[in-house]
Amino acid sequence: GESVGLHLPTLSVQEGDNSIINCAYSNSASDYFIWYKQESGKGPQFIIDIRSNMDKRQGQRVTVLLNKTVKHLSLQIAATQPGDSAVYFCADRFGGSNYKLTFGKGTLLTVNP
Amino acid sequence: DTGVSQDPRHKITKRGQNVTFRCDPISEHNRLYWYRQTLGQGPEFLTYFQNEAQLEKSRLLSDRFSAERPKGSFSTLEIQRTEQGDSAMYLCASSWGQVSYNEQFFGPGTRLTVL
Repeated sequence: GESVGLHLPTLSVQEGDNSIINCAYSNSASDYFIWYKQESGKGPQFIIDIRSNMDKRQGQRVTVLLNKTVKHLSLQIAATQPGDSAVYFCADRFGGSNYKLTFGKGTLLTVNP
Repeated sequence: DTGVSQDPRHKITKRGQNVTFRCDPISEHNRLYWYRQTLGQGPEFLTYFQNEAQLEKSRLLSDRFSAERPKGSFSTLEIQRTEQGDSAMYLCASSWGQVSYNEQFFGPGTRLTVL
């Protein structure tokens, strides 16, 4: 079956540094990938998404990179702020299945002031 | 606040009791999803509605679980004869559209504790 996993369970950075959170996926049929941020006691919050026909997509302070050759996804956060501290999940969706998301375990990002 | 609301936010029950959760999606969203999340894990898909039709159920959704969306607006998730293994966060999400790529907006979740 499909699986989406994360390389590192925790990441600690200094305020102002750039953060990189990695994710591996196994299903070559996945055509859509999303990064979510989840703060304690809250539901996941959409950050950025990317389709499989793209390699890179940028948002405000965030960039998602997709390497389909090695089935790897990363989220880069520029100038990390204390408010970025949260658990970050990547999720994917099968091509042809336009609803169900499969989430990885999550990476806990801690930003030290 | 994403606009998706869930009620209650917390529920503590004894094993064997029935519980029901409610989700109110963003009003114009025609798709509604239920996920379950245990500590330290990502959300796991349970079921999905398009309007009032339940189009897919995960194998995680045993016979003790039932979900409805009677008028294509709010949805309920009922768990009968709760077990300790049912303790988790139950998340609802909604999205709109007839096209494939639409962001799912998540509610704050209902945290269930089964004693």
